[in-house]
Amino acid sequence: GESVGLHLPTLSVQEGDNSIINCAYSNSASDYFIWYKQESGKGPQFIIDIRSNMDKRQGQRVTVLLNKTVKHLSLQIAATQPGDSAVYFCAENNPFGGNNNDMRFGAGTRLTVKP
Amino acid sequence: SQTIHQWPATLVQPVGSPLSLECTVEGTSNPNLYWYRQAAGRGLQLLFYSVGIGQISSEVPQNLSASRPQDRQFILSSKKLLLSDSGFYLCAWSSFGTGNQPQHFGDGTRLSIL
Repeated sequence: GESVGLHLPTLSVQEGDNSIINCAYSNSASDYFIWYKQESGKGPQFIIDIRSNMDKRQGQRVTVLLNKTVKHLSLQIAATQPGDSAVYFCAENNPFGGNNNDMRFGAGTRLTVKP
Repeated sequence: SQTIHQWPATLVQPVGSPLSLECTVEGTSNPNLYWYRQAAGRGLQLLFYSVGIGQISSEVPQNLSASRPQDRQFILSSKKLLLSDSGFYLCAWSSFGTGNQPQHFGDGTRLSIL
């Protein structure tokens, strides 16, 4: 299943299917992006990051794709499991933020995995 | 490995009472430290950040203040809480310096003002 960031804030998939969560970022000068997972009542957990000199990066069961032309970021989760149910949000850096690693965060997409 | 601790996990306070939330980081030196507020269904709002002891930058005008008395300790305070201060407060750290580094979050404090 697919979701388009803020326009479709919820995504429901069957266990075992692949999930695609999308994010549109705002600043064409941003050069560093992160995906976070946030479970209910917990803080955001770092999943994967990507720098602008790459268009794809893979982790364990996750892949992040970056399309700088259209300022779009996606997170693909392979073989989605019930434990993947959470809110996922992307973050982009402020390239003019100096040494404070300033990041801007999206509101997120809620992923629900049905058994 | 680095860890970040926030406490308390939940807090219920009356309007007009003071506030002190504490955050500590272990396993790293001279981190950048951050306080965020997260409203339901909204993105994280940066409240304060610090790049060193005693150095605090405020992002938004508000009823809150922050302090960094030690390298790995970050405190969020208020002298008199307002109803609008209710929310989920998150502390985060990242490695110091230029060059992009991820921010790592604690598990937050759920603050309810009555």
